[in-house]
Amino acid sequence: EAGVAQSPRYKIIEKRQSVAFWCNPISGHATLYWYQQILGQGPKLLIQFQNNGVVDDSQLPKDRFSAERLKGVDSTLKIQPAKLEDSAVYLCASSLSRNEKLFFGSGTQLSVL
Amino acid sequence: AQSVSQHNHHVILSEAASLELGCNYSYGGTVNLFWYVQYPGQHLQLLLKYFSGDPLVKGIKGFEAEFIKSKFSFNLRKPSVQWSDTAEYFCAVNNNAGNMLTFGGGTRLMVKP
Repeated sequence: EAGVAQSPRYKIIEKRQSVAFWCNPISGHATLYWYQQILGQGPKLLIQFQNNGVVDDSQLPKDRFSAERLKGVDSTLKIQPAKLEDSAVYLCASSLSRNEKLFFGSGTQLSVL
Repeated sequence: AQSVSQHNHHVILSEAASLELGCNYSYGGTVNLFWYVQYPGQHLQLLLKYFSGDPLVKGIKGFEAEFIKSKFSFNLRKPSVQWSDTAEYFCAVNNNAGNMLTFGGGTRLMVKP
């Protein structure tokens, strides 16, 4: 079974630039999550989708972050403009439904200089 | 909003020692509880979960966790650790609807051979 695919694996940008991350969940998984993991901390939920609808985005900094899941499959997370404090690993995860176990991707490591 | 606290950030044990990692959560309603593990160089993966029923749950690789409702705790245990248990362990909680899976800060376990 193919896992959760994320790209790119690494990204280095300067502050105030824009960046986008892409996630392809496991086929058939209705629930998709984006997490931000800062070094030394646990993953922090940014947004949760159920199919193509947003279930929770209460911790998403909406002035600079946006996410979409068109057609309920792939998802993109965008940061515009980036700040130094956005340096982190951005993890995408998917699950069959809301209370099923999460399958995580490898993450995108973002460095903002 | 729920929150999760893991009191031990780093734990070092010798092989065959017993393990207990603490996890406390804060949430006013019914919760589901999880332990995830991240082995070096690998993705986060589910170790065990509790939804209801017997408060002592068993997971993979000989791990177990006990839900104590009165203490808002869900501690992870293993009677005898192995070198291969070296990893980072995350406690997580979501609400009964399966939304907002919130992670603790993680505990890094190192097992000396």
